[in-house]
Amino acid sequence: EAQVTQNPRYLITVTGKKLTVTCSQNMNHEYMSWYRQDPGLGLRQIYYSMNVEVTDKGDVPEGYKVSRKEKRNFPLILESPSPNQTSLYFCASRPGQGFAGSNEKLFFGSGTQLSVL
Amino acid sequence: AQSVTQPDIHITVSEGASLELRCNYSYGATPYLFWYVQSPGQGLQLLLKYFSGDTLVQGIKGFEAEFKRSQSSFNLRKPSVHWSDAAEYFCAVGAPNGAGTASKLTFGTGTRLQVTL
Repeated sequence: EAQVTQNPRYLITVTGKKLTVTCSQNMNHEYMSWYRQDPGLGLRQIYYSMNVEVTDKGDVPEGYKVSRKEKRNFPLILESPSPNQTSLYFCASRPGQGFAGSNEKLFFGSGTQLSVL
Repeated sequence: AQSVTQPDIHITVSEGASLELRCNYSYGATPYLFWYVQSPGQGLQLLLKYFSGDTLVQGIKGFEAEFKRSQSSFNLRKPSVHWSDAAEYFCAVGAPNGAGTASKLTFGTGTRLQVTL
């Protein structure tokens, strides 16, 4: 089944303890992206990747890192989490690098609810 | 930079009634426009998209949206709402780059739809 898989689904941690949220897609998609969703703010893009070893900042990249060593995986790393990073995080992917033709549909994971105490 | 405004945070309609969710965008040219739906506990699912051509676009689940350049709007409509349509709806805009694609997607803050029986 074609899907974007995020783990864990729920995570509670403490300030300053490094964590990684994994994201994997089995559709051979070139483009992957991370969003955070906060009440009243909608979805905001953190980082995105157009292809392997190509990453770029979104609208709210501060406090986050990403890597794209393989096409299928795009982990989100919080080196020193803070309470203001408590949020619902979504990973998404799509076939092409840009929105055009039939490649424009984003496939979303089920989300990771992170709480930083 | 592009931006999206969804002026209605919460809308309640009766089952069987018509629905219109508002979306206004800001972008210097014609953007790529999308509507996504998020059911509770789920990721986002694409309802419909506008790239060019016919300004009235049809989507899944009986939804349609109309692009109005003069009003910078892309409102979502459905003639008869079903109880299963209760969800959060996000409008999004992608700014085309020189290659005819768009790498960055900006989401609105969302409109939560409640359906009464």
